[in-house]
Amino acid sequence: AQSVTQLDSQVPVFEEAPVELRCNYSSSVSVYLFWYVQYPNQGLQLLLKYLSGSTLVKGINGFEAEFNKSQTSFHLRKPSVHISDTAEYFCAVRNTGFQKLVFGTGTRLLVSP
Amino acid sequence: DAGVIQSPRHEVTEMGQEVTLRCKPISGHDYLFWYRQTMMRGLELLIYFNNNVPIDDSGMPEDRFSAKMPNASFSTLKIQPSEPRDSAVYFCASSLVAGVSGELFFGEGSRLTVL
Repeated sequence: AQSVTQLDSQVPVFEEAPVELRCNYSSSVSVYLFWYVQYPNQGLQLLLKYLSGSTLVKGINGFEAEFNKSQTSFHLRKPSVHISDTAEYFCAVRNTGFQKLVFGTGTRLLVSP
Repeated sequence: DAGVIQSPRHEVTEMGQEVTLRCKPISGHDYLFWYRQTMMRGLELLIYFNNNVPIDDSGMPEDRFSAKMPNASFSTLKIQPSEPRDSAVYFCASSLVAGVSGELFFGEGSRLTVL
């Protein structure tokens, strides 16, 4: 079975600073990887996804993530954050053959002025 | 296009009462998922359906929980009797298997408080 580990429960950062949110996964088979964002009192929405091909994936709102198979990681980055990026970020994984998506515990990004 | 629609958005009830949460998936989507989100346990998959048929209900906590999908446009999650530890935000999500990634589209959630 797959699993996802998000090492940081909370990441505080100043506005316009770069940020990296870490995600490691475990699976014995090929996977698809996702980052979702959850704003307060809302559902989750897709930021970006890795299916195959280029290991550097670009998503919405200036976010990008890099798939590293040897390190089983899929870290999320943004070169310059805004106050509006304050939210909870979830990494998720699923096997290529199944629809069941497994989420990490989430990382709360707190952007301050 | 309308997204996934959940109702009610907020529910406050007393222990022992029956609770029914409702979900309307995106039209044409053939997978439907119920997740529960709590501070302690994060996002847990409770059950998912494919073409209205339950595929995996291993995440359903206990017999007090039941879920149905009578047709392609409606699903319910029922808790009977409810307990304070059921307090959480319950999310419904849908996806289209024909899409390669099977991206999930989430509703805004139903926040349940059991007193």
